[in-house]
Amino acid sequence: QSVLTQPPSVSGAPGQRVTISCTGSSSNIGAGYDVHWYQQLPGTAPKLLIYGNSNRPSGVPDRFSGSKSGTSASLAISGLQAEDEADYYCQSYDSSLSGSVFGGGTKLTVL
Amino acid sequence: EVQLLESGGGLVQPGGSLRLSCAASGFTFSSYAMSWVRQAPGKGLEWVSAISGSGGSTYYADSVKGRFTISRDNSKNTLYLQMNSLRAEDTAVYYCAKIPHYATVTTPYFDYWGQGTLVTVSS
Repeated sequence: QSVLTQPPSVSGAPGQRVTISCTGSSSNIGAGYDVHWYQQLPGTAPKLLIYGNSNRPSGVPDRFSGSKSGTSASLAISGLQAEDEADYYCQSYDSSLSGSVFGGGTKLTVL
Repeated sequence: EVQLLESGGGLVQPGGSLRLSCAASGFTFSSYAMSWVRQAPGKGLEWVSAISGSGGSTYYADSVKGRFTISRDNSKNTLYLQMNSLRAEDTAVYYCAKIPHYATVTTPYFDYWGQGTLVTVSS
């Protein structure tokens, strides 16, 4: 059971927009700690996608966007492409655990 | 170009020990905090440990506290994870990851990851 809750899977057709939620609590996201997102393509290491709730590292397409509100955060992917098919993870800090925590991951399928 | 190359993984019996290494290049290693993150087969990501740039501050997940030790040799640009009293549930791919200056070692995020090294704990 992960501290941050993500849906196990989402899907969408090419060109569509999908969102992935990340629900936490008052000891992590709700306490004001930043949320970060990673993309893990099959058989590869995770890659930073969004940092500080809504910032994109250089090289990440603006089709990817992040937001945070209350005890939850969301990753939105617009103009879905086949190459976006991957696992996506949210990450934050939890003051009760005194450490970084990840969501359980969401598998994105492009139909 | 930032590169992180892990090594040292392998098969070890329960109760045994293993030391992982992560050779870093492409950045001023001593200026950055570093971390280890693991991923059990078919499972999600789990933060394991972090260390400040100087090596003076270290942090651990409860699941490994007292069994694992993170360290670094800034003269060799290398990060280490000494793993003792290994259990079956420690079986995972272990990634080393760089923490950028915008983050802190206590509330990090990870801007570069290595390719990982597989640790299997089994008799």
